[in-house]
Amino acid sequence: ETGVTQSPTHLIKTRGQQVTLRCSSQSGHNTVSWYQQALGQGPQFIFQYYREEENGRGNFPPRFSGLQFPNYSSELNVNALELDDSALYLCASSRDSYNEQFFGPGTRLTVL
Amino acid sequence: AQRVTQPEKLLSVFKGAPVELKCNYSYSGSPELFWYVQYSRQRLQLLLRHISRESIKGFTADLNKGETSFHLKKPFAQEEDSAMYYCALRRGNQGGKLIFGQGTELSVKP
Repeated sequence: ETGVTQSPTHLIKTRGQQVTLRCSSQSGHNTVSWYQQALGQGPQFIFQYYREEENGRGNFPPRFSGLQFPNYSSELNVNALELDDSALYLCASSRDSYNEQFFGPGTRLTVL
Repeated sequence: AQRVTQPEKLLSVFKGAPVELKCNYSYSGSPELFWYVQYSRQRLQLLLRHISRESIKGFTADLNKGETSFHLKKPFAQEEDSAMYYCALRRGNQGGKLIFGQGTELSVKP
């Protein structure tokens, strides 16, 4: 069984740019949740996708958006990057929104 | 607003000593509580959840609704327990959204 994968591992962007992060869910999982983890902090919920529909959103501005595809993989898009967007972005997949979430290794985003 | 508080950023104990990682939460409804662990160079993974009432790797945690706490305990710490531990809350009717605490780094010394 393949676990959750994320790409890229690291990337560096400058303020104002846009970024797309990708997540492949574990086999048999139809739900993907995204979290932002700033240095020294716990993960913060961004949003969740269940069967291609947004199923809950945390306290993040609209420039954070996402997609889920028919194969249940997902993208996180961030527009107009700010310095404070520098963080580790975690994706987690689950069988449905109430089951155990399995986390990916994360994407480290640095905004200069 | 819902919140999870882990008051200790770092907890250092010697091998064989008891361990208690504290977690307090604020939520007026019926929460689900979890402990997640992240070992060095590994991804975040579920350690245990309160509804299972099980012991994993010798760790237990009891939900105390009166004190709004979900402390993680182990009677005899092992060096391999050294890791980051995160307490998390999920609202009973909110599906997958997890609210995490800031985490406690446990260091078990030989």
